[in-house]
Amino acid sequence: GQQVMQIPQYQHVQEGEDFTTYCNSSTTLSNIQWYKQRPGGHPVFLIQLVKSGEVKKQKRLTFQFGEAKKNSSLHITATQTTDVGTYFCAGLWRDDKIIFGKGTRLHILP
Amino acid sequence: DVKVTQSSRYLVKRTGEKVFLECVQDMDHENMFWYRQDPGLGLRLIYFSYDVKMKEKGDIPEGYSVSREKKERFSLILESASTNQTSMYLCASSSYRIYTFGSGTRLTVV
Repeated sequence: GQQVMQIPQYQHVQEGEDFTTYCNSSTTLSNIQWYKQRPGGHPVFLIQLVKSGEVKKQKRLTFQFGEAKKNSSLHITATQTTDVGTYFCAGLWRDDKIIFGKGTRLHILP
Repeated sequence: DVKVTQSSRYLVKRTGEKVFLECVQDMDHENMFWYRQDPGLGLRLIYFSYDVKMKEKGDIPEGYSVSREKKERFSLILESASTNQTSMYLCASSSYRIYTFGSGTRLTVV
């Protein structure tokens, strides 16, 4: 069946260090999306990747979609305290089904 | 900006009570969703609706029902609240499969 696995579940980094979260699907995806949820907040859409091998950047955030469209990553360069939160990937399939990963909670140590 | 408004931020109800969680969106989206979010379990889909008076079961519909009498409003109903329904409930609407979430209702059933 369709599943989306996200790792790691938690990550602690020193401020200024880089951070990466990975998302893997058991089957080929149509698109993949990333959301961020600040502590006490709700998920907010960050970006959508559609093409095989696609790479998109938003300031210090780099998003990649794998060549086989089964995996994706979010990389944050030089983390800041404003990056704290939980990052979710969401896999989308052609039948309109969407499944959210369980998220990676990022803690920043000052 | 698309806005999804949930009527209550915090709610405390007694076991056995009938509970209504209201959600309103202001961007004429056809698709609306109810999720619950629990630590370690991520976002789990309860019900969704692609049109007025239309509803579909998600992954965990047991103990819940929904109502969509108007396009902008999607209500989640707990017929007889139980303590295992204590959770954060998130409503979302979507356009072109990009989700906008409400701020959430943290429901405690005592």
